[in-house]
Amino acid sequence: DTAVSQTPKYLVTQMGNDKSIKCEQNLGHDTMYWYKQDSKKFLKIMFSYNNKELIINETVPNRFSPKSPDKAHLNLHINSLELGDSAVYFCASSQGNKGETQYFGPGTRLLVL
Amino acid sequence: AQTVTQSQPEMSVQEAETVTLSCTYDTSESDYYLFWYKQPPSRQMILVIRQEAYKQQNATENRFSVNFQKAAKSFSLKISDSQLGDAAMYFCAYRSKNTGNQFYFGTGTSLTVIP
Repeated sequence: DTAVSQTPKYLVTQMGNDKSIKCEQNLGHDTMYWYKQDSKKFLKIMFSYNNKELIINETVPNRFSPKSPDKAHLNLHINSLELGDSAVYFCASSQGNKGETQYFGPGTRLLVL
Repeated sequence: AQTVTQSQPEMSVQEAETVTLSCTYDTSESDYYLFWYKQPPSRQMILVIRQEAYKQQNATENRFSVNFQKAAKSFSLKISDSQLGDAAMYFCAYRSKNTGNQFYFGTGTSLTVIP
């Protein structure tokens, strides 16, 4: 029944490692997003995909690479993790310009040691 | 770019009382969407209420209502009969109808409900 799901929920890893966070939505939406929420709770968009095409690519390090195998999935791969990458990462989806509301996943708390 | 400002980092309210969270935004567009999201300690982002700019009527969802002042670019959230479960971080958000699928979020207001 979960609309937008993310795995894992928690991720603790060492600096320099490569990790991926997966996101899936079963709402039939055509647009998906990745947000980063820092320790001050500020929510910043990172990427947005519409029908598997990248449409928003904010200024984030090249170490972050989104991958959308299909409309229902948008995964986030992070190379060479740094301490500053520690944050909560949210996936969200919406129905393009028709369904204006974004539905968020539960978030993935990433801690880089 | 559009900006969304929440000037109250923290607010508190007594249980059963009413509280208003403020939000202002900056835009040159005439048609857009505004939202309030709630983020409880569980970290889940939950849609509370939304407003379409072209609609004059203020949106209402049970105990939650907004005061949308388009000319003043103000979009405040009123929570009536506050409950302990309302304690959360509240984010105001703006979405353009013209510039793609970008959402702009405010910095959030942390609401404490005092029993």
